[in-house]
Amino acid sequence: DARVTQTPRHKVTEMGQEVTMRCQPILGHNTVFWYRQTMMQGLELLAYFRNRAPLDDSGMPKDRFSAEMPDATLATLKIQPSEPRDSAVYFCASGLGPVPNTEAFFGQGTRLTVV
Amino acid sequence: SQKIEQNSEALNIQEGKTATLTCNYTNYSPAYLQWYRQDPGRGPVFLLLIRENEKEKRKERLKVTFDTTLKQSLFHITASQPADSATYLCALARGGNTPLVFGKGTRLSVIA
Repeated sequence: DARVTQTPRHKVTEMGQEVTMRCQPILGHNTVFWYRQTMMQGLELLAYFRNRAPLDDSGMPKDRFSAEMPDATLATLKIQPSEPRDSAVYFCASGLGPVPNTEAFFGQGTRLTVV
Repeated sequence: SQKIEQNSEALNIQEGKTATLTCNYTNYSPAYLQWYRQDPGRGPVFLLLIRENEKEKRKERLKVTFDTTLKQSLFHITASQPADSATYLCALARGGNTPLVFGKGTRLSVIA
């Protein structure tokens, strides 16, 4: 049963600490997204990769956030330093090819709480 | 700026009735529109995709329409069941290399 795997599922950290979230896309998928979900804003796009190259990271606060794909089986999202307003659920999604034309498969999310 | 609005935050209907959810957009010309279902504590799950040159798509009890003149998509669940209770999200994209942009969702409750 192919699925997108995100770790950790939950993370509580103190303000100012570095947070790293990891995502294993479905094997063979070459499109990867990072989204952040809050009650107020809904799902917001943070970063978008195709074949490991970033296509769009305009929604990501560049001063503290960074997203990378070290290889085709791993995507990472880092926040340094973290702030309370970063508290949210972070989702990774993957797809085969240009996702608007096919479905995106979402992971279970990482619930981040910054205190 | 571009805006995606889903008709209401919450919708309650009786079991057996047809649920109709609305997705309106402004300042946007999407080539693709998708609908997802999200259950509490889970990631969104894909339901249907419709392209700008398609008027209607069906899958079992689900039907989606896409009216580019009205800038609106309607999502219907016929013969609704309590198991259909969830949040439904619409997502739009301009073209093949553009990401999906999501609406905030409508929380549907089907009451037995």
